[in-house]
Amino acid sequence: DAGVIQSPRHEVTEMGQEVTLRCKPISGHNSLFWYRQTMMRGLELLIYFNNNVPIDDSGMPEDRFSAKMPNASFSTLKIQPSEPRDSAVYFCASSDPSRQGAYEQYFGPGTRLTVT
Amino acid sequence: AQSVTQLGSHVSVSEGALVLLRCNYSSSVPPYLFWYVQYPNQGLQLLLKYTTGATLVKGINGFEAEFKKSETSFHLTKPSAHMSDAAEYFCAVSPSGTYKYIFGTGTRLKVLA
Repeated sequence: DAGVIQSPRHEVTEMGQEVTLRCKPISGHNSLFWYRQTMMRGLELLIYFNNNVPIDDSGMPEDRFSAKMPNASFSTLKIQPSEPRDSAVYFCASSDPSRQGAYEQYFGPGTRLTVT
Repeated sequence: AQSVTQLGSHVSVSEGALVLLRCNYSSSVPPYLFWYVQYPNQGLQLLLKYTTGATLVKGINGFEAEFKKSETSFHLTKPSAHMSDAAEYFCAVSPSGTYKYIFGTGTRLKVLA
């Protein structure tokens, strides 16, 4: 299995620009998570999808952030407009809670976003 | 409400020495507990998990952890540290049967030659 795939791995952009991060979950996993990791705040859950439907977006910082999951194999996290304080590593994770005992999440390699 | 406390943001051990990383949690319902490892510039990798059953769980790379309900702890141990164990380790708690993880702040392990 290829694992969770994220692109790009690194993104450098200027303040005010739109940024789109992409994620392909593990095939067969029906839950998808977007996290943000910073030194100050650690790992924060931004949004959780189940069967392509957003279930919990309470962690999305503000309206500048949006996430979509148009199908079971693809999700995007968009920031528009981006700000320097959005600089962080963004992780996508997937899981298959329908499989008994399988509550663990599998993480992608992350996208390191730098907004200048 | 659930929370996770990892004591010691940095831990140093000599190669071959015991590794002990501490994790205490609070949970109003039976918790599921996890340890993840993060190597530099990589994502989080599952080391081991406790959901139900045997309280001593073994994971990858020689790590193990014991769920102690009376102490609300889930400490991670490894008998003999290897240089390749140098990484950041995260403890996470999830109320049983839910999707939500609460992560600790992480412990960075340094292994000295």
